[in-house]
Amino acid sequence: GAVVSQHPSRVICKSGTSVKIECRSLDFQATTMFWYRQFPKQSLMLMATSNEGSKATYEQGVEKDKFLINHASLTLSTLTVTSAHPEDSSFYICSAKFTRNTEAFFGQGTRLTVV
Amino acid sequence: DQQVKQNSPSLSVQEGRISILNCDYTNSMFDYFLWYKKYPAEGPTFLISISSIKDKNEDGRFTVFLNKSAKHLSLHIVPSQPGDSAVYFCAASERSSASKIIFGSGTRLSIRP
Repeated sequence: GAVVSQHPSRVICKSGTSVKIECRSLDFQATTMFWYRQFPKQSLMLMATSNEGSKATYEQGVEKDKFLINHASLTLSTLTVTSAHPEDSSFYICSAKFTRNTEAFFGQGTRLTVV
Repeated sequence: DQQVKQNSPSLSVQEGRISILNCDYTNSMFDYFLWYKKYPAEGPTFLISISSIKDKNEDGRFTVFLNKSAKHLSLHIVPSQPGDSAVYFCAASERSSASKIIFGSGTRLSIRP
């Protein structure tokens, strides 16, 4: 299947700093990328949808100024958690689709710990 | 409001038997359904999907059944193997829209020897 690479897999940062997570589609051009967040023992919660070259569409309750999403090319999307706080500690996962009518492929996820 | 529901948080099945994971949805606009498998600290892996124009899709040991009138789908794994132990997420999307995928809360499947 298609490969989506997410980096870093783990990151620990201090409260108040910003963290950038990268999501790359390695063998296809992703028309749409999605960012999810998973709390322990809970489902994947969609945070935002991004299309290359346009602004991301955020889900209700997700702060767009806190979770900055940049989809600069058809193979790269980034999520920046700005001014991170301990409550932002979570597992963040990206996914990518190469056409509208296909399943999404997921990155391996990033475990963010804010101390 | 949970649009995709997996009411069983866990399921234990003996190796070799059939595992049946269930999923219900509320949004009648969903027309594409997927099952993902997830290990701890990893991203979900796509397993199988089904379009709303079908009621069954089979791929090896995995079969997904869709009952549109009941807004219910299920994933059958037969025979169950130890490597099937993982969390399984049911997901749904509207192909006609931005195609964002909405996930259920997951079912942890344990295959016992």
